[in-house]
Amino acid sequence: NAGVTQTPKFQVLKTGQSMTLQCAQDMNHNSMYWYRQDPGMGLRLIYYSASEGTTDKGEVPNGYNVSRLNKREFSLRLESAAPSQTSVYFCASRPDYRTNEQFFGPGTRLTVL
Amino acid sequence: GEDVEQSLFLSVREGDSSVINCTYTDSSSTYLYWYKQEPGAGLQLLTYIFSNMDMKQDQRLTVLLNKKDKHLSLRIADTQTGDSAIYFCAEKGQAGTALIFGKGTTLSVSS
Repeated sequence: NAGVTQTPKFQVLKTGQSMTLQCAQDMNHNSMYWYRQDPGMGLRLIYYSASEGTTDKGEVPNGYNVSRLNKREFSLRLESAAPSQTSVYFCASRPDYRTNEQFFGPGTRLTVL
Repeated sequence: GEDVEQSLFLSVREGDSSVINCTYTDSSSTYLYWYKQEPGAGLQLLTYIFSNMDMKQDQRLTVLLNKKDKHLSLRIADTQTGDSAIYFCAEKGQAGTALIFGKGTTLSVSS
């Protein structure tokens, strides 16, 4: 049981390049989330998916797109990377019981030059 | 709007107790959470408390909840150097089931 996995762990992009951050969970959770973490800002929600086939915007969705490919996988795409998207990106998933606790992946550290 | 506030830094000596404080705004929050982030790692759930409780104890951790003042605290007894990390307070937000996080308190434990 690997929990929540993310790839890659580190990435450096040039401004304008595109890339997709991958996330997968093997806990059969319906809900999945993408957050970004910036120094002094805590974690901010980018997008979330309450179930396979549905996605919704969070607090900071601009510049990102997501795909909920199946129940296990939830990817985050940067179409044209900007230096402001330099951040640490965390994927999380949540089981359907009422305590609403979320399980986090190890993060992807992205630098946009 | 929704907001969770925490002090940014706390420094203690090994063996002392640490108390990390948090205030939140959403009075309808049913659960409140404490997460721990070690350097270079993701967030790990430490504990949570249901809103109808005043206190929850789990080994060295004690969570106190004051609903009237919307104040949450995490006490770590006999703090160890391995407790050095960033601690995040969180409440459930309005957007689906996402969490609203504070900015995190960096706990530094010196020997």
